Amino acid sequence: GENVEQHPSTLSVQEGDSAVIKCTYSDSASNYFPWYKQELGKGPQLIIDIRSNVGEKKDQRIAVTLNKTAKHFSLHITETQPEDSAVYFCAAHRANSGYALNFGKGTSLLVTP
Amino acid sequence: ETGVTQTPRHLVMGMTNKKSLKCEQHLGHNAMYWYKQSAKKPLELMFVYSLEERVENNSVPSRFSPECPNSSHLFLHLHTLQPEDSALYLCASSHGTGEEKLFFGSGTQLSVL
Repeated sequence: GENVEQHPSTLSVQEGDSAVIKCTYSDSASNYFPWYKQELGKGPQLIIDIRSNVGEKKDQRIAVTLNKTAKHFSLHITETQPEDSAVYFCAAHRANSGYALNFGKGTSLLVTP
Repeated sequence: ETGVTQTPRHLVMGMTNKKSLKCEQHLGHNAMYWYKQSAKKPLELMFVYSLEERVENNSVPSRFSPECPNSSHLFLHLHTLQPEDSALYLCASSHGTGEEKLFFGSGTQLSVL
């Protein structure tokens, strides 16, 4: 089955700096890659996603890049703010493979003022 | 708010107890999910219901019993649990059966003593 590896497991940056979280996947047929943010005491919330026919997608301060050849995708957060502190999860999904999103183990991001 | 409400937020139970977790979604979605979130592990899909019919059961022990009386409500009945079942149990919904975008509730933090 699909295996999603996520790095780093923890990341600390200063406010205003950029943060990058990387994920690799094993199933070359995966075609949908969402990123979820989980704040303390809350469930994960979708913040951005990308499909395999696109190499990059941006939404204000967050962007996701996809390299299908290398089977990896990354989340980029620019001009980080303390409210960006949370756990971020990547996931991968292959169409017609059932309902399961295959999640990474998560990255705990801390943005210090 | 995500439109997915879970109760209770916290639950402590003994191994011989019977309890139920409740989930309600106000988004008009047709699919509902139970996920288990343990520390240092990826989110694990437990059950999927589509239009009130169970469509996926990921080898979950029979001490977990789901129920979906209608497309807005989902329950997880628990009995004779083990301490290793302690985790955050997340409910999620999606628009359709092939829709990958999940909307999560805040979860029930379960402790089994």
